[in-house]
Amino acid sequence: NAGVTQTPKFQVLKTGQSMTLQCAQDMNHNSMYWYRQDPGMGLRLIYYSASEGTTDKGEVPNGYNVSRLNKREFSLRLESAAPSQTSVYFCASSEPGTDTQYFGPGTRLTVL
Amino acid sequence: AQSVTQPDIHITVSEGASLELRCNYSYGATPYLFWYVQSPGQGLQLLLKYFSGDTLVQGIKGFEAEFKRSQSSFNLRKPSVHWSDAAEYFCAGYGQNFVFGPGTRLSVLP
Repeated sequence: NAGVTQTPKFQVLKTGQSMTLQCAQDMNHNSMYWYRQDPGMGLRLIYYSASEGTTDKGEVPNGYNVSRLNKREFSLRLESAAPSQTSVYFCASSEPGTDTQYFGPGTRLTVL
Repeated sequence: AQSVTQPDIHITVSEGASLELRCNYSYGATPYLFWYVQSPGQGLQLLLKYFSGDTLVQGIKGFEAEFKRSQSSFNLRKPSVHWSDAAEYFCAGYGQNFVFGPGTRLSVLP
């Protein structure tokens, strides 16, 4: 039982490049989330998916797209990376009923 | 609007001293409340959670938190801090959606 896994752990992009952050969970959770963490800002929700086939915008969705590929996987795509997207990105999934969230180890992204 | 605040950005305590980290929430109804800990370079680990019932909640690593409805608070406590507790601590609430506080960084002096 690996919990929530994320790939890659680190990534450096140039402005304008695209990439996809991968997230998978093996806890059979319905809901999954993408957050970004910036110093002094706590965690801010980018997108979430309440169930397979559905996605919704969070607090800071601009510049991002998501895909809920199946119940296990929820990916985050940056189509044209900008320096303002330099951040640490966390994926999470939550238990049905209690909505307790469990987090992956994070992806540290730098956009030059 | 739902919000979670943590008034202290950075706290320093001596090893063996007691600790209290403050958290206040603003929700229409009592939300689910959580405390997470993040060690440097790591993801967030759940310390404890409150849904209903007993207002004093026990968590892992010797932490506890007390829900006080009258003060809209959910403060985290530990009677004796260890050097390994140095980390960033996040309070979070869930009502209609999940909202995190900005975090409190804890430093521990030897």
